[in-house]
Amino acid sequence: GAGVSQSPSNKVTEKGKDVELRCDPISGHTALYWYRQSLGQGLEFLIYFQGNSAPDKSGLPSDRFSAERTGGSVSTLTIQRTQQEDSAVYLCASSTPFRTSGRMYFGPGTRLTVL
Amino acid sequence: AQSVTQLDSQVPVFEEAPVELRCNYSSSVSVYLFWYVQYPNQGLQLLLKYLSGSTLVKGINGFEAEFNKSQTSFHLRKPSVHISDTAEYFCAVRGSGAGSYQLTFGKGTKLSVIP
Repeated sequence: GAGVSQSPSNKVTEKGKDVELRCDPISGHTALYWYRQSLGQGLEFLIYFQGNSAPDKSGLPSDRFSAERTGGSVSTLTIQRTQQEDSAVYLCASSTPFRTSGRMYFGPGTRLTVL
Repeated sequence: AQSVTQLDSQVPVFEEAPVELRCNYSSSVSVYLFWYVQYPNQGLQLLLKYLSGSTLVKGINGFEAEFNKSQTSFHLRKPSVHISDTAEYFCAVRGSGAGSYQLTFGKGTKLSVIP
């Protein structure tokens, strides 16, 4: 079946502009994660959604970052007033409710470049 | 909270030679351990995971890893590498408790297979 999809695949923006990144999780997956992958820094947790529970926003680096998940499916990560240090690959992942498997399925990512 | 250390940022190895990618973790609770692989311009794929039971875990593409609780390690091995194994490999850890959902990643090891 279809995997996790993300759009756009690449986004180039000017410093100070707002951007929206979209994630379509695998159908039926109630858990959704956003991670950021910066060069040489590995993957940094940003935010986690599980069903109708309040999201875990503990990884968001500043109040310029926000995310929502509509209808328990599609998620949008918004970065306001982008800065050059926001340049990175933003990865979305989804999974079934946590049990012992713990397998997360990752999307291909959105490469954000802030000029 | 957990942390992951991947001791080598880059590992060059000749084709058909064995390889070991090192991973050490730190955690105050029991953990699940994972290795993910990211091929050039692709998303992350699960290579293998340790949840419980046998400490030797076999994954896809001939990779295996051994969980060593006393040394808090989860090194990844392959007896004979192929050109197609060139990729970045990420070790990850998650607490095994009911409320644990966040995957913490290492910074990655880039494996380059030399023909």
